[in-house]
Parts: sequence; structure tokens; C-alpha cells
Amino acid sequence: QSVLTQPPSVSEAPRQRVTISCSGSSSNIGNNVVNWYQQFPGKAPKLLIYYNRLLPSGVSDRFSASKSGTSASLAISGLQSEDEAIYYCAAWDDRLNGPVFGGGTKLTVL
Amino acid sequence: QVQLVQSGAEVEKPGSSVKVSCKVSGDTFRSYAFSWVRQAPGQGLEWMGEITPVFRTTDYAQKFQDRVTLTADASTSTAYMELSSLNSEDTAVYYCARRGHEYSSPQPNDAFDLWGQGTTVSVSS
Repeated sequence: QSVLTQPPSVSEAPRQRVTISCSGSSSNIGNNVVNWYQQFPGKAPKLLIYYNRLLPSGVSDRFSASKSGTSASLAISGLQSEDEAIYYCAAWDDRLNGPVFGGGTKLTVL
Repeated sequence: QVQLVQSGAEVEKPGSSVKVSCKVSGDTFRSYAFSWVRQAPGQGLEWMGEITPVFRTTDYAQKFQDRVTLTADASTSTAYMELSSLNSEDTAVYYCARRGHEYSSPQPNDAFDLWGQGTTVSVSS
């Protein structure tokens, strides 16, 4: 049972836009920033978005994210087959005194 | 190019301990924190704890408080995670991950910007 809640899966057609939600509480998302990670099968996670909406160097601007209250969302526009991966949200939890993750959302590009 | 290079796969018996290493290749520890995050087969990511070698501080997730020990060797820029009293539920891929800044202490909101390749630990009798 993950502290942050994400849908287990989403799917969309190529070239379309998809959003992935992440829901938390006042002790994590409500009071701290959200970071997003992308993981391909058999690979380590990779930082995708940090500080709610900032892109690390080298990450495509087709990725964007936002946060409002105790929820956050990741958007991917112009979907490509190479975007098929599992996406995790994460945030510091003040009550647990450590980072917590969502359960991950598997993106399928139809 | 800075990389986190982890030690190889381990197979352990229930009740034993395992020690996994994570070497910072191409740099030193600087002021970064190094966390350990595990992923059971088909499951999500779970934070176990972290060590900030330059400040000699450690923090552990409550779930692992009694069984995990994080250490670091500055002379080789290598961090270690030892997990004791292993059981089948500890079968997972264990990742080390870096967060923080080069010259200032890590903050809660810092993201994991660099990950090791992962170490598979299998626990079986």
C-alpha cells in the first residue's frame, strides 16, 4: 500500500496527450514538492520532473507537471511508443521523515 | 560522467545478512545524501534510509530501523547497505540513489538525480 496514490495504468494513442495523477496528503504533497521518475523494464528509475514542474537537462519538453493542494499530475504530450514506461511520483513526508512514492502508473501507447 | 556503480547480485538464505555496495564513479561523495530504495518483483519503490557521508548522518525508514545499517567509506567513495535477518519478502532489487547538492546539505525536497544500476538480492532456502 503506497502512501501516494496513482492509477495503476493509463493508455492513449500515439501523438495524443495523457495525464497521470498522484494524490497524497497534507504531510507530503500538501507541504512539499513532487518529483516524478520514469522507469523502463529492468532499468533503474530516472528523474523526469523535480520541484513540481522543472525538467532536468536532457528531458523532453513533451513532459510537464503541476501540483495543486495535495495532488499532482504529470502530462505527456505528443505520445510516442518510447514513452511506454512506469511513472512514479514522490514527495517528502513530514510525518514519516522520509520520501514516499506512489505505486507507479504503467503507460501504454496504443 | 558521474555514475553510481553497485555490487553484483546476491543469493542469501533466510536469517542471514547481505551487504550491498554503491561506488561513486567519477566523483566523490561531496555533500550529497545516498539513499537506498528497494523494489520487490512487480512492485513499486520503497525508501529504506539514507546516509550523508560528509555530515556522518543516517536516517532510516521506521520499517527497516532494526534491520538495516548504512555506512560509507570516504576514501573509496563507496556507500554500503547491510540488511539483516533476511526473509523471502526481502527478495528485491536494491538501488542506491543520490540526492542533494555538491556543497550544501541535502534538503527534504531534493530529488534523486542519480541512480545505481540496481542489485538483485534473492532470499531462498
